[in-house]
Amino acid sequence: AQKITQTQPGMFVQEKEAVTLDCTYDTSDPSYGLFWYKQPSSGEMIFLIYQGSYDQQNATEGRYSLNFQKARKSANLVISASQLGDSAMYFCAMREGPENSGGSNYKLTFGKGTLLTVNP
Amino acid sequence: ETGVTQTPRHLVMGMTNKKSLKCEQHLGHNAMYWYKQSAKKPLELMFVYNFKEQTENNSVPSRFSPECPNSSHLFLHLHTLQPEDSALYLCASSQGSQGNTEAFFGQGTRLTVV
Repeated sequence: AQKITQTQPGMFVQEKEAVTLDCTYDTSDPSYGLFWYKQPSSGEMIFLIYQGSYDQQNATEGRYSLNFQKARKSANLVISASQLGDSAMYFCAMREGPENSGGSNYKLTFGKGTLLTVNP
Repeated sequence: ETGVTQTPRHLVMGMTNKKSLKCEQHLGHNAMYWYKQSAKKPLELMFVYNFKEQTENNSVPSRFSPECPNSSHLFLHLHTLQPEDSALYLCASSQGSQGNTEAFFGQGTRLTVV
């Protein structure tokens, strides 16, 4: 069974509008972390935002915010005021285990990604 | 400029060739990783190194041989590959003691096996 599910293979948004990219996850571990990465056509994976399973508030980083609904096991990424440069693949990823585990326990499981296209 | 550098960026090799992918990180991280990204599939973790010791081999075929001489360098030695091994190979590093920090990725090596 997939641990990270991104149901939207592709999304389109108009420049300056907001867009939500969906991510649901599956884990029985009470401690976990959720990450979003952006991958432009150049190939590099760029970290966007992190949410820990015990964080009380939704994470925000500039125009990025994470809509964390723990009971529903969803961690949707919201991008506000879309820009043309936001066009890229977006991946949701999960790390299982405590935040201080690190090292060999720090393994990210990725979803299949969502291709976001921002139209002018 | 990324803190994780991968070379070469592109590689075309025959099935009988031997080649190596190189990854270098300048971030002082303890852990380094190899991931494989094939078309239409999620990123697959291949190997994990923590303080130069291999701590994870995710059932990777022996035609892929990793090497980590120190915490800053990671290699992936390739021999007798198959066409289905064509993919983007991404190297990443992280601060091993802090699981809530992100992994930093290189730009990848796009490998084509002919």
